[in-house]
Amino acid sequence: GAGVSQSPSNKVTEKGKDVELRCDPISGHTALYWYRQSLGQGLEFLIYFQGNSAPDKSGLPSDRFSAERTGGSVSTLTIQRTQQEDSAVYLCASSLALTSGSPYEQYFGPGTRLTVT
Amino acid sequence: AQSVSQHNHHVILSEAASLELGCNYSYGGTVNLFWYVQYPGQHLQLLLKYFSGDPLVKGIKGFEAEFIKSKFSFNLRKPSVQWSDTAEYFCAVNARYGGSQGNLIFGKGTKLSVKP
Repeated sequence: GAGVSQSPSNKVTEKGKDVELRCDPISGHTALYWYRQSLGQGLEFLIYFQGNSAPDKSGLPSDRFSAERTGGSVSTLTIQRTQQEDSAVYLCASSLALTSGSPYEQYFGPGTRLTVT
Repeated sequence: AQSVSQHNHHVILSEAASLELGCNYSYGGTVNLFWYVQYPGQHLQLLLKYFSGDPLVKGIKGFEAEFIKSKFSFNLRKPSVQWSDTAEYFCAVNARYGGSQGNLIFGKGTKLSVKP
């Protein structure tokens, strides 16, 4: 597609339920990133993928958060047993391959606004 | 650990005023630097970037930024703002480790309100 797409755009869920957020990167972009944007914390890095592998999961806030990417394309971020503090906008970005000496820029999707009630 | 500081939380200007938004980062190695903008109701867009070369970089919509390595700064400037520049501006840094690149570290953002 022309840009990074994310679905759903809005998700309201009850505390304790699991949610799945989807990201479709720009065609040809092998690197994919998840960030979270919340009022108190600003923009926080969660996880990134190079192809289907995730070399850096250091930003995932707890073991309730997981992400996968299949076929080097679509990625899903799963939050289990959601808590109110998970309420935020979840942003996905993609970029060209992280090759040595090759600068890149990240292109962001519109985000999924998650509200946990 | 890397961090990015944006000193102004909210800036209010009148149209035609000049703008400078401060950004400082902490990392002693080679970095890529970015300014992203988020207009109301829209997603993050790249305003400009610095990878190497001329430390004065020009971006879209008349914005520019200057990388001053000795000050670990990458301030954003615009000589004359317009009402349409009302948005939130984020400075971001990416450290280059042996050529590989990972995630962006963002500042907390600066809200710019331009009064018509």
